Amino acid sequence: DAGITQSPRHKVTETGTPVTLRCHQTENHRYMYWYRQDPGHGLRLIHYSYGVKDTDKGEVSDGYSVSRSKTEDFLLTLESATSSQTSVYFCAIYGTGNNEQFFGPGTRLTVL
Amino acid sequence: AQSVTQLDSQVPVFEEAPVELRCNYSSSVSVYLFWYVQYPNQGLQLLLKYLSGSTLVKGINGFEAEFNKSQTSFHLRKPSVHISDTAEYFCAVSGTGGGNKLTFGTGTQLKVEL
Repeated sequence: DAGITQSPRHKVTETGTPVTLRCHQTENHRYMYWYRQDPGHGLRLIHYSYGVKDTDKGEVSDGYSVSRSKTEDFLLTLESATSSQTSVYFCAIYGTGNNEQFFGPGTRLTVL
Repeated sequence: AQSVTQLDSQVPVFEEAPVELRCNYSSSVSVYLFWYVQYPNQGLQLLLKYLSGSTLVKGINGFEAEFNKSQTSFHLRKPSVHISDTAEYFCAVSGTGGGNKLTFGTGTQLKVEL
């Protein structure tokens, strides 16, 4: 299995509070992604990174920011959480050698 | 931009019966195609992928899929399902350029019954 972990795995927070989710990889892959999974929508791309300090927006980036200060870590921040951001968040890494993404175990976030 | 349509949100099937999960895509550029499986409360696991070459792709757990460019489809099949195949299945597409950003379908819940 690809070395990819997410923390925390579960979080409950209140509307208006900041939240940061962490994705950590041990594969030294260049590309990293954040998706959210919601019933009836599948997975949707929030932000992605193609290198240290290089990030770009995905389909549903409003209300989210990301940072990547080193290859192994990709952080997703909700500056002021809203109930619409209650979701399961998945991080993924991409290995150019085999053209496939490997997914982390997910973080279940509940915003009350 | 790409899009993916999974025509069936739920597919019930009896154990040992064959199953087909349908996936159609739309894209203005060449694509790579993927099927992922998600077991309850777990992450996504790659079942199979089409990059190029033979249009019939075999994956793990006895699944296979056929890429049909003229019909822009990538349907997933298994000749005989098992209870353990109960899961949600996602079809996804990416462009063939760098970055591999995936666009997912909305998923098909496969429920295998005795």
